[in-house]
Amino acid sequence: KNEVEQSPQNLTAQEGEFITINCSYSVGISALHWLQQHPGGGIVSLFMLSSGKKKHGRLIATINIQEKHSSLHITASHPRDSAVYICAVRYGGSQGNLIFGKGTKLSVKP
Amino acid sequence: KAGVTQTPRYLIKTRGQQVTLSCSPISGHRSVSWYQQTPGQGLQFLFEYFSETQRNKGNFPGRFSGRQFSNSRSEMNVSTLELGDSALYLCASSFTGTRGTDTQYFGPGTRLTVL
Repeated sequence: KNEVEQSPQNLTAQEGEFITINCSYSVGISALHWLQQHPGGGIVSLFMLSSGKKKHGRLIATINIQEKHSSLHITASHPRDSAVYICAVRYGGSQGNLIFGKGTKLSVKP
Repeated sequence: KAGVTQTPRYLIKTRGQQVTLSCSPISGHRSVSWYQQTPGQGLQFLFEYFSETQRNKGNFPGRFSGRQFSNSRSEMNVSTLELGDSALYLCASSFTGTRGTDTQYFGPGTRLTVL
């Protein structure tokens, strides 16, 4: 069964801390996405990765294809980073469906 | 450029009824994907339409259907509603969709409650 596991499920941090959210998947994929969902439901696509590392502002996403693992890092966290972060993978080549992790709920305290 | 819009934003229906949700993609985007989000199952892929053709389909019963019009606007329909269909339904648009590498832009969602 193709699964996506995220850890931790919940994360509370103090403002300024370095945060890491992990995502593991079970078989080979063609792409991995990181999404951010704020209270109220709106989703923003943060990154799409097939290899290596991407950086956007204080956000860094990495993927290790051999270990079937990706991490999302937030440097100098801020209360506005509080959201649910969701990992999604695309199996079965470029035509495969997206399979989503359950999400990591991040709360950053001032 | 206007974002992805979904109508209605909130909907209350009773079991057995049917419902139609609408999604207007970003201008120029040809792909529209639909997703269901529930507290228990999280986000699940429903289907993708590209240039009026269903290109990809998730593991949902036939009660869930959709279509896309020539202007790329898409509708999804759920017939014979069940309590378990209560969810946030999200659509996302992009230029190339799930076969490409470009970003998907999500709409605000339609929250459906089935009583």
